[in-house]
Amino acid sequence: AQSVSQHNHHVILSEAASLELGCNYSYGGTVNLFWYVQYPGQHLQLLLKYFSGDPLVKGIKGFEAEFIKSKFSFNLRKPSVQWSDTAEYFCAVNPGSWGKLQFGAGTQVVVTP
Amino acid sequence: DTGVSQDPRHKITKRGQNVTFRCDPISEHNRLYWYRQTLGQGPEFLTYFQNEAQLEKSRLLSDRFSAERPKGSFSTLEIQRTEQGDSAMYLCASSLGGATDTQYFGPGTRLTVL
Repeated sequence: AQSVSQHNHHVILSEAASLELGCNYSYGGTVNLFWYVQYPGQHLQLLLKYFSGDPLVKGIKGFEAEFIKSKFSFNLRKPSVQWSDTAEYFCAVNPGSWGKLQFGAGTQVVVTP
Repeated sequence: DTGVSQDPRHKITKRGQNVTFRCDPISEHNRLYWYRQTLGQGPEFLTYFQNEAQLEKSRLLSDRFSAERPKGSFSTLEIQRTEQGDSAMYLCASSLGGATDTQYFGPGTRLTVL
């Protein structure tokens, strides 16, 4: 079955540590890729997106993601996290032309002071 | 840009009752999506509208569920004869469409079926 996999369900790290969240998908062909973030008590917000071109995309709040087509991966990174990055992070894939998103299960990230 | 809005934000109902949720998309967004999210999971696609036309429904959407977007603006999602398994967060998203289609989500309606 076609799917989106996020490697870690929970991540705990200290402020200033580097963060990398894995995302792999099983769809073939052209896909559009997204990372969404959900801060405590808030709704899903778009962090960054990839459609084509440079496989390294930059998003808001210092986040970036790298698309590696050969590995079917779209990993999210941030060099130095802050306490305010505590949130749940979702990888999403649009495998078709009309926009339906397939989400991963999410990764809960807790940043300790 | 006022964002996607949903009403109500919370709904508690008894099993067997009908409930209806409303979603107002970002103005001029012609695509509208409904998703369902349960604890510990990512959102799951339910259905999708292009203007007023409902173009796809997930197998998750049983015949107790119906969605409408009568004038191509706001949408409603109705659940008839609710069951405890319907308890979830119901999310609405809207987008402009096109090759770089990007969905923007509302705050959701949390449904609790007792």
